[in-house]
Amino acid sequence: GENVEQHPSTLSVQEGDSAVIKCTYSDSASNYFPWYKQELGKRPQLIIDIRSNVGEKKDQRIAVTLNKTAKHFSLHITETQPEDSAVYFCAARPSGNTPLVFGKGTRLSVIA
Amino acid sequence: DTGVSQDPRHKITKRGQNVTFRCDPISEHNRLYWYRQTLGQGPEFLTYFQNEAQLEKSRLLSDRFSAERPKGSFSTLEIQRTEQGDSAMYLCASNVLLGQGAGGYTFGSGTRLTVV
Repeated sequence: GENVEQHPSTLSVQEGDSAVIKCTYSDSASNYFPWYKQELGKRPQLIIDIRSNVGEKKDQRIAVTLNKTAKHFSLHITETQPEDSAVYFCAARPSGNTPLVFGKGTRLSVIA
Repeated sequence: DTGVSQDPRHKITKRGQNVTFRCDPISEHNRLYWYRQTLGQGPEFLTYFQNEAQLEKSRLLSDRFSAERPKGSFSTLEIQRTEQGDSAMYLCASNVLLGQGAGGYTFGSGTRLTVV
């Protein structure tokens, strides 16, 4: 089955700097790649997603890139702010419309 | 309809007892998922429904776990003879199957289970 690896597990950046979180997946037929943000004690919330027919997608300070050949995708956050501090999860949907498989998460700390 | 609701938010139970959790998805969402999350880990898939049909169960789901979605609306997850290893956050999520495939999940706030 699908396996999603996420790196790094923790990331600290200075406010205003950029943060990059990377994920790899194993199933070349995976077709949908969302990113979730989970603040302490709260539910995971979808922040951005990308489908396999697109290489890059941006939404204000957040962008996701997908390299299907290498089977990896990345989350980029620019001009980080303290409120970006949270755990971020990547996920991949294997072929068809099967359930998402999640990475183990990255704890991002933005230091003011 | 303000989102996905889960009840209870917290449950403490003694080992060996049965527990049942409820999830109310967004009303127009036809898919409902159960995941389990332990500290420092990502959500792990347990089972999911499309309308009232249970389409898949994870190998993680022992025979002590059962889930239902009787009318294609709310769902229940029951754990029988709870064990300490069942302690986790149980997350419910829902989405809708569209022409291009299923969209992103909306998660509930979860039920935190502690087995003592």
